[in-house]
Amino acid sequence: DGGITQSPKYLFRKEGQNVTLSCEQNLNHDAMYWYRQDPGQGLRLIYYSQIVNDFQKGDIAEGYSVSREKKESFPLTVTSAQKNPTAFYLCASRQGQNANEKLFFGSGTQLSVL
Amino acid sequence: QQPVQSPQAVILREGEDAVINCSSSKALYSVHWYRQKHGEAPVFLMILLKGGEQKGHEKISASFNEKKQQSSLYLTASQLSYSGTYFCGTETERTYGQNFVFGPGTRLSVLP
Repeated sequence: DGGITQSPKYLFRKEGQNVTLSCEQNLNHDAMYWYRQDPGQGLRLIYYSQIVNDFQKGDIAEGYSVSREKKESFPLTVTSAQKNPTAFYLCASRQGQNANEKLFFGSGTQLSVL
Repeated sequence: QQPVQSPQAVILREGEDAVINCSSSKALYSVHWYRQKHGEAPVFLMILLKGGEQKGHEKISASFNEKKQQSSLYLTASQLSYSGTYFCGTETERTYGQNFVFGPGTRLSVLP
């Protein structure tokens, strides 16, 4: 079955450490997105990518970095510059730029600081 | 550019109706509605496009008023399974196809 896989499900970060969250999709979707969700809050856009080797900052990109070297993969790195990284991170994908197309979500990664 | 949702939270008894609103200060091209259970991924409900169409899905329907830049989600005869947080997601005409932003969510609790 096609879908989006996020790993790990839970991740712990030490002070000053960079961590990478994985997001892989086998839906052949062009567009991919990363969202951050804080407890009781909505989804805030971190980064998005429409095509391979291209990505754009969302509303809260500071302290995060991404890459899009392959169509199916869009990893998110939470750098040490992100001082408050504890949150639930969701990856999503979409076929392309047609407004009729829904977003498909992964099951999320819960990141906590030790 | 995040859309605004109201109310923030609502508590219902099984069988009651609810309306959740989503509005934007910018011209909207599309509005999506998703429901999320705690700790899970959001689940797609429906998409509305510019043109003011109304859509329905069983007892859940929605409308889109492009003049007011507003969409409303209607939940009728609510069931326990409707509990969760409802998010609207929007694309503006200017950013169509490029990014996708969500509102802060409306927490719905349906009690027996």
